[in-house]
Amino acid sequence: AQSVTQPDIHITVSEGASLELRCNYSYGATPYLFWYVQSPGQGLQLLLKYFSGDTLVQGIKGFEAEFKRSQSSFNLRKPSVQWSDTAEYFCAVRTNSGGYQKVTFGTGTKLQVIP
Amino acid sequence: NAGVTQTPKFQVLKTGQSMTLQCAQDMNHNSMYWYRQDPGMGLRLIYYSASEGTTDKGEVPNGYNVSRLNKREFSLRLESAAPSQTSVYFCASSVTTRGRQPQHFGDGTRLSIL
Repeated sequence: AQSVTQPDIHITVSEGASLELRCNYSYGATPYLFWYVQSPGQGLQLLLKYFSGDTLVQGIKGFEAEFKRSQSSFNLRKPSVQWSDTAEYFCAVRTNSGGYQKVTFGTGTKLQVIP
Repeated sequence: NAGVTQTPKFQVLKTGQSMTLQCAQDMNHNSMYWYRQDPGMGLRLIYYSASEGTTDKGEVPNGYNVSRLNKREFSLRLESAAPSQTSVYFCASSVTTRGRQPQHFGDGTRLSIL
């Protein structure tokens, strides 16, 4: 069965510091991978997605993510975070089993950026 | 510039009551979704509508029904609310009918069942 693991429940970083949020997936084939951000009291917003090709993908708000097949990972990065990046971040994987497509979300990582 | 609009934003129900959560999108998207979000569990798909006139069950459909009224609107109904249905409900939409990844989310409906 496919699954998504976000090992860090809560991360606190200082404004201006670099950020890496971890995501590991379990799936036999190459999945489609996504990162979403959820600001307090709001719905999720798609940050970026990986379907194929270049393993380093750029998203909105200065975020990027790298697909590493050997590590089954799709970690989200940002060189310098801002206070406005405080939010919860969800990794998701879309898989295909017997023609049935399914999107599975991770349990999320809450990011707190401190001044 | 509304995107996906959900009503109501908050609701408190008693066990056994019924209610309908409304969702509308103005982006001419084909696919619409209903998710529930519970602490520590991520989002789980309740129902999905690939296009107007079609609906399919997701991971956790028990206790819910849906109606794709037209291309814009996709409603979720709780016929007899139970405390286990206390959650935050999100409606989402996407352009394509291929795959099931949502692109745009509403701001959610926070539902408490007493």
